[in-house]
Amino acid sequence: SQTIHQWPATLVQPVGSPLSLECTVEGTSNPNLYWYRQAAGRGLQLLFYSVGIGQISSEVPQNLSASRPQDRQFILSSKKLLLSDSGFYLCAWSARTGEVAFFGQGTRLTVV
Amino acid sequence: DQQVKQNSPSLSVQEGRISILNCDYTNSMFDYFLWYKKYPAEGPTFLISISSIKDKNEDGRFTVFLNKSAKHLSLHIVPSQPGDSAVYFCAASAASGGGADGLTFGKGTHLIIQP
Repeated sequence: SQTIHQWPATLVQPVGSPLSLECTVEGTSNPNLYWYRQAAGRGLQLLFYSVGIGQISSEVPQNLSASRPQDRQFILSSKKLLLSDSGFYLCAWSARTGEVAFFGQGTRLTVV
Repeated sequence: DQQVKQNSPSLSVQEGRISILNCDYTNSMFDYFLWYKKYPAEGPTFLISISSIKDKNEDGRFTVFLNKSAKHLSLHIVPSQPGDSAVYFCAASAASGGGADGLTFGKGTHLIIQP
């Protein structure tokens, strides 16, 4: 069966520090991978999606970037965090376009 | 512009009664709809989905209804149980559209089941 791992679960970082959140999927190959952010009162906002290694699409302009160095690995990064980057970040995968997405446990990021 | 709207931020229902969560969408290209349930500090878990070729899908206590002409869907939970207390997200996609840009989510409805 497929599983998705996301870490860390919580993170407190100072403004201006770098960020690296990692997500890996097991039990499937060539998944679509996604990074979402849940901010208070805003639901789940799609940040990045990837259909293959090295292929990243960004949905919103922001202080973040994503990379997919391996088929089942998706990384969310920032060179310098802003206070507004605080939120709950969720990694997800789906087998095909527009189908059910399965989520990781999420990372609560607090920028102080 | 929000393409998927859940206009009720919260809903309180008595245990054993029916919970009805509503969702409206504006994008006529959406042809696949999903409901997710989310507990605090956890990732959303998939509940039930419906394709636009159907108007109803049932799975145990959960039933989703789709009214394409009104661009409206609803999730019915019968009977409601305390463990159903969570935030419910409606999501949609244009699965046949060829894009890979994931699901579009509503802002969620916090369902509270009262004993």
